[in-house]
Amino acid sequence: DTAVSQTPKYLVTQMGNDKSIKCEQNLGHDTMYWYKQDSKKFLKIMFSYNNKELIINETVPNRFSPKSPDKAHLNLHINSLELGDSAVYFCASSQVNPGRRVNSPLHFGNGTRLTVT
Amino acid sequence: EDKVVQSPLSLVVHEGDTVTLNCSYEVTNFRSLLWYKQEKKAPTFLFMLTSSGIEKKSGRLSSILDKKELFSILNITATQTGDSAVYLCAWNGNNRKLIWGLGTSLAVNP
Repeated sequence: DTAVSQTPKYLVTQMGNDKSIKCEQNLGHDTMYWYKQDSKKFLKIMFSYNNKELIINETVPNRFSPKSPDKAHLNLHINSLELGDSAVYFCASSQVNPGRRVNSPLHFGNGTRLTVT
Repeated sequence: EDKVVQSPLSLVVHEGDTVTLNCSYEVTNFRSLLWYKQEKKAPTFLFMLTSSGIEKKSGRLSSILDKKELFSILNITATQTGDSAVYLCAWNGNNRKLIWGLGTSLAVNP
């Protein structure tokens, strides 16, 4: 029944490693997002895909690479992890309505807490 | 630069108190303002506001938007310990990004 699910919930790894976080939504939404939330709880968008097309690509190191095999999945791969990458990463989805003024609210996954040691 | 400012940053109250959380925004091309509640996990959606002066209610929570003065408030009446959370507001503009405030951390003591 989970609407937006991401795995793993926790990820502890060493600097320099490569890791992936997976996200799936069963809401039928056409747009998915990756957000990074730092220790001060500030949510910062990283990427957004609409129907498998990258539409938002914020100033994020190119060590971060999103991949959307279909509109229900958006994975995040991180190369050469650094200490500063430690944060909670949230996946989210929404329905974007072209031509309408307002999109649907975001639905968030439960987050992946990444700790880089 | 578009931004969303929330106040206060943190608040401690006793059960039964009423609280008002503020969200002001300086943005171009306003489309909607959203309120979320975040406990230990994911932010959960509370309200979406698009029109000025129309109050939205859900139980003890209510919210209203003032597009002229560029702010929104979230009211919680008869607070309970379960209301303890970070309350986030976000603005949805022309592009598909949400601009988030830093949140108000609310602690409700028994």
